[in-house]
Amino acid sequence: DQQVKQNSPSLSVQEGRISILNCDYTNSMFDYFLWYKKYPAEGPTFLISISSIKDKNEDGRFTVFLNKSAKHLSLHIVPSQPGDSAVYFCAASASTSGNQFYFGTGTSLTVIP
Amino acid sequence: DAGITQSPRHKVTETGTPVTLRCHQTENHRYMYWYRQDPGHGLRLIHYSYGVKDTDKGEVSDGYSVSRSKTEDFLLTLESATSSQTSVYFCATRGVIYGYTFGSGTRLTVV
Repeated sequence: DQQVKQNSPSLSVQEGRISILNCDYTNSMFDYFLWYKKYPAEGPTFLISISSIKDKNEDGRFTVFLNKSAKHLSLHIVPSQPGDSAVYFCAASASTSGNQFYFGTGTSLTVIP
Repeated sequence: DAGITQSPRHKVTETGTPVTLRCHQTENHRYMYWYRQDPGHGLRLIHYSYGVKDTDKGEVSDGYSVSRSKTEDFLLTLESATSSQTSVYFCATRGVIYGYTFGSGTRLTVV
């Protein structure tokens, strides 16, 4: 059963606009969340993280928001650039259950110039 | 970066043959992982290692075995490859930063 879900397989956004990628999880024990970015023929690369003690973390154009009551997190990219076109995975982990991260199915973002 | 090298990068093999994928890291990270990526499933953990000769199963371990005889090497073996094991395989390590660093992947096709 998928514990981390990304319900939008794809998203298209105009350059300069905001991209919002969503992620839902079911396990209330998850307390650390990551976003990864993946280009074709490459491994995923770490983008941004957030722990459950925060509800927002910002790094340049990228902001992750966490809503623990809704078991929902989102990644905002502002402004979106063509180089942001990639597949984005969210991942979650519970500090009480070892080292395993559970990944979502990914959202393919296309930023249109 | 952890300096993770996966080999081979691409492989085509026949059903029923054994296949070994290699992951080599140069950063002395304790934890190493094997994931597979499939459309509609994202990244799923196959096996992981928390030290030399210490390994454990992930959520999709059936049909796979692993070995770690040295800190830097983590091998994934398909004893008898099946078409359902056609996938892209990623190795990852975890160091001081709480998160993974991934290799570039191995694309395996079982015909």
